[in-house]
Amino acid sequence: SQQGEEDPQALSIQEGENATMNCSYKTSINNLQWYRQNSGRGLVHLILIRSNEREKHSGRLRVTLDTSKKSSSLLITASRAADTASYFCATDGTGRRALTFGSGTRLQVQP
Amino acid sequence: NAGVTQTPKFQVLKTGQSMTLQCAQDMNHEYMSWYRQDPGMGLRLIHYSVGAGITDQGEVPNGYNVSRSTTEDFPLRLLSAAPSQTSVYFCASSYSGQANTEAFFGQGTRLTVV
Repeated sequence: SQQGEEDPQALSIQEGENATMNCSYKTSINNLQWYRQNSGRGLVHLILIRSNEREKHSGRLRVTLDTSKKSSSLLITASRAADTASYFCATDGTGRRALTFGSGTRLQVQP
Repeated sequence: NAGVTQTPKFQVLKTGQSMTLQCAQDMNHEYMSWYRQDPGMGLRLIHYSVGAGITDQGEVPNGYNVSRSTTEDFPLRLLSAAPSQTSVYFCASSYSGQANTEAFFGQGTRLTVV
């Protein structure tokens, strides 16, 4: 079963707009990570937020974490066509020493 | 610095055949793992290893074997391929044995079982 579930499953926006993706998870976590996957490629790490952090920034990325609601959001500001990809959240909260991934949000940025 | 290298990139197998997917990393990472990704889904953990000589099962281990004789290599063996194993397979590595550091992924092996 998936620990994290992203919402929406698919998102289409125009270049320059902001994109927000949400992730909900089931069990308590130590940290939550976001990854990007371009079509047919491996995953690339974007950002890690620890359970004692509420917000983290990296360039045009902003991640929030609400452990009381077991949810996180990823905001991409001023999106570009190159941001077109699938975005996954991953958590460590399953008791195994491994990441558990959600099903992802497919983002399409129209030029 | 090559990172995580997977071979082959593409493979077609007949039902019942066996094969080994190769994964190598040159970052001296202790932790390595194998995932499979099916269409429209996230990654599901098959097996993982927290160091040479130590492996453990993930979420979907049936039909797969692993071993870790060196820090660099973590091969995944399909014992008797089945159509249900048609998927894209990703190998990943990270610095620590805990899931609290960035994971580096290979480019994937696209496997089709006919």
